[in-house]
Amino acid sequence: QQKVQQSPESLTVSEGAMASLNCTFSDGTSDNFRWYRQHSGKGLEVLVSIFSDGEKEEGRFTAHLNRASLHVSLHIREPQPSDSAVYLCAMSKTGFASALTFGSGTKVIVLP
Amino acid sequence: EAAVTQSPRNKVTVTGGNVTLSCRQTNSHNYMYWYRQDTGHGLRLIHYSYGAGNLQIGDVPDGYKATRTTQEDFFLLLELASPSQTSLYFCASNRQGAKEQYFGPGTRLTVL
Repeated sequence: QQKVQQSPESLTVSEGAMASLNCTFSDGTSDNFRWYRQHSGKGLEVLVSIFSDGEKEEGRFTAHLNRASLHVSLHIREPQPSDSAVYLCAMSKTGFASALTFGSGTKVIVLP
Repeated sequence: EAAVTQSPRNKVTVTGGNVTLSCRQTNSHNYMYWYRQDTGHGLRLIHYSYGAGNLQIGDVPDGYKATRTTQEDFFLLLELASPSQTSLYFCASNRQGAKEQYFGPGTRLTVL
């Protein structure tokens, strides 16, 4: 069973500074990775989906995947106070059943 | 855009109470999932199904039953609710082999 460790648990950054979040996972069989944002009390908003090693950019959000290192990261360029939220990494193996395994989340606070 | 709806959006019950959470998707998706979200744990898989009448056990199934009555409808049943089941519950769906999984808006359950 895939295990996911997400870090840091919380992160405070100033508006305009880069924010970096990390997830490490226990085995390399997953081929479907994504990052979600969740504002307080709200649902999940998918930010970036990445399916192969390398980099994927969606606006100010960039995901990096290195399956050999069992690592996926998210970088938020020029974060804004409205980006203050919990960020979750998730992964699955495409196929018969695609249930997602989630990290525990990083609470990001962006100070104006 | 695929749509997944959940009802109720908020529910308060007492210990020992009987609760049913409902999920509906109208996207002809085979797979449907129930997750719970608790602080420090991300989302965890309770049960899932790959079609009407089918039920698969997830990672945290204790205290929960589920039933998939039709392709569209997936229910989560708490027959003797306990305070430890106070959580935010998400339903999700996807087509077999698809990379994207679509989430409902969540149901917040409080067990007093």
